[in-house]
Amino acid sequence: DIQLTQSPSSLSASVGDRVTITCQASQDINTFLNWYQQKPGKAPELLIYDASNFETGVPSRFSGSGSGTLFTFTITSLQPEDIATYFCQQYDDLPRTFGGGTKVEMK
Amino acid sequence: QVQLQESGPGLVKPSQTLSLTCTVSGVPISSDSGSYYWTWIRQPAGKGLEWIGRLYNGGGTNYNPSLKSRVTISADTSKNQFSLKLSSVTAADTAVYYCAKERRTEWIHWFDSWGQGTLVAVSS
Repeated sequence: DIQLTQSPSSLSASVGDRVTITCQASQDINTFLNWYQQKPGKAPELLIYDASNFETGVPSRFSGSGSGTLFTFTITSLQPEDIATYFCQQYDDLPRTFGGGTKVEMK
Repeated sequence: QVQLQESGPGLVKPSQTLSLTCTVSGVPISSDSGSYYWTWIRQPAGKGLEWIGRLYNGGGTNYNPSLKSRVTISADTSKNQFSLKLSSVTAADTAVYYCAKERRTEWIHWFDSWGQGTLVAVSS
């Protein structure tokens, strides 16, 4: 299985802060990585696909980058509605695997 | 608009079989276009997401090797539903279970539709 290691597992930030999350894959997965947002009690929602492409309707403050084994997800200016847990997910191979998640809280 | 809805018992006894159904509206699950994969994913409380397996092309299946010996995913195309059976459950199988649609366009795959999730507890 391809392991995805996300860091940090949690963070606390203020409104307007820049937030950066990393996802490291255990092997080269090209750009075959997605990012999801999950709010409490809800199913995950896609934000970024193929490492750096925006899903329709996603605010431009969210972005993704990377290829190979190291990927980055950034919120350029944290908003109160961004409080959630964020997951990376690879689709290079089966089984599909997810990162452990990063819980973003408001300071 | 595609919608998915999980249903099934919320409590299962240890060693028994967990059975869940996902009812799909907005697209036929029998489509053989190869663009959709009907998937089960679970999430223990406070933890990450685990891919269980998927159904595609009207009958093909892929399972997570860690669960393969206990999992069966099947379809009832007359009702536009697909189902999950997980046998010999233990407390470690307690989780929120999601059904989801994985979509493929060229080389890109992503989960674009999810059910709301259903909590299944394994307890005597």
